[in-house]
Amino acid sequence: QQPVQSPQAVILREGEDAVINCSSSKALYSVHWYRQKHGEAPVFLMILLKGGEQKGHEKISASFNEKKQQSSLYLTASQLSYSGTYFCGTEKNTDKLIFGTGTRLQVFP
Amino acid sequence: DTAVSQTPKYLVTQMGNDKSIKCEQNLGHDTMYWYKQDSKKFLKIMFSYNNKELIINETVPNRFSPKSPDKAHLNLHINSLELGDSAVYFCASSQSGQVWVFGPGTRLTVL
Repeated sequence: QQPVQSPQAVILREGEDAVINCSSSKALYSVHWYRQKHGEAPVFLMILLKGGEQKGHEKISASFNEKKQQSSLYLTASQLSYSGTYFCGTEKNTDKLIFGTGTRLQVFP
Repeated sequence: DTAVSQTPKYLVTQMGNDKSIKCEQNLGHDTMYWYKQDSKKFLKIMFSYNNKELIINETVPNRFSPKSPDKAHLNLHINSLELGDSAVYFCASSQSGQVWVFGPGTRLTVL
């Protein structure tokens, strides 16, 4: 079952914040976050393991609540370079990564 | 050095033809994958190979056949191409389920 992301799309001005949510109907081993720019391959942002940990990458951070089977990606003080489609990826085991439905983020000057 | 490479980058072909896409990774990863990204941008896993052995074969038509000659290579052969096969195909690799590294993708267009 594919994880569901919300919102489907976000439009921001530079400097604004955004939150992208990822929700799964199945128990999760870990959650990955990737960003894909138009015409390019998905690029790894971060991985979160069980334990409710938070991680940060520049001004992008994420949390993982395994009891709720949810993860959220937080983008603060957005930059033009943050534009792209964000995917969460969930693992039940290490053999496959199931990607979420995607959230398209556009940052304007 | 490119970590995960794919050839060709673009593939335009007629319905009914057979085509192959090649993938190579130089990261020393133990697992390689094929993903399909459709026009709605959904990324779906197709196959997973671990040390040359097929681990996962999702519900993919048997016209698609992956082949892994060694740990660093995973090719995808598609027989009797159909219009619905048009998509971007991504190869990826990972080591023990850590970071997935994707190739640049192959845009397949079936006419």
